[in-house]
Amino acid sequence: DIVMTQSPDSLAVSLGERATINCKSSQSVTTSSNNRNYLSWYQHKPGQPPKLLIYWASTRESGVPDRFSGSGSGTDFTLTISSLQAEDVAVYYCQQYYSTPRTFGQGTKLEIK
Amino acid sequence: QVQLQESGPRLVKPSETLSLTCTVSGGSISTYYWSWIRQPPGKGLEWTGDIYNGVSNYHPSLKSRITISVDTSKNQFSLKLSSVTAADTAVYYCARGSHCSNAVCYSGIFDSWGQGILVTVSS
Repeated sequence: DIVMTQSPDSLAVSLGERATINCKSSQSVTTSSNNRNYLSWYQHKPGQPPKLLIYWASTRESGVPDRFSGSGSGTDFTLTISSLQAEDVAVYYCQQYYSTPRTFGQGTKLEIK
Repeated sequence: QVQLQESGPRLVKPSETLSLTCTVSGGSISTYYWSWIRQPPGKGLEWTGDIYNGVSNYHPSLKSRITISVDTSKNQFSLKLSSVTAADTAVYYCARGSHCSNAVCYSGIFDSWGQGILVTVSS
């Protein structure tokens, strides 16, 4: 299984400031054949299902605000929220779909400072 | 816009079988991957398995106990997990497990989810 490890486990950021969450996979999730990164990010708020934010490491899902961006390749990836809004308080998960079983990071809890 | 809704018993006794159904509306259940993902209380997300074109793929840790099936006539897919223990207590989500763009689909991207159902294993 590919193990996904996120850092930090929790993060407190002031409104309007940048939030950065890191995700590291135990093996590369990038294919050499098409140079695609099989990595997605989800936002999970209490009482709601997880919401897909980003796939292919950097492609925003339709309707996701452009303050959310993803980057990285190989084994190291980053989710950045450029200007934190109150509604961004949530737990964020990275997930690999390079192989089965599909695996998620342990989650990063994002709060307002 | 596809919508998913989980249904089934919320309380299951230890050693019995957990059975859940996901009803898909707003789109055909054909062509896509369909998955079950669970979240034990206070823990993270765990993919349990999926089904595509009648072929299932399971998490190795559950392979001996899990069955995922699809009923295309009802636009539903189901999860059965046998010999449950307290460790199987979780919110169970059904999700569409493939994302399509320009007529090309890739599996493992969960772009639509049900609201989730908490299933407790207890006597």
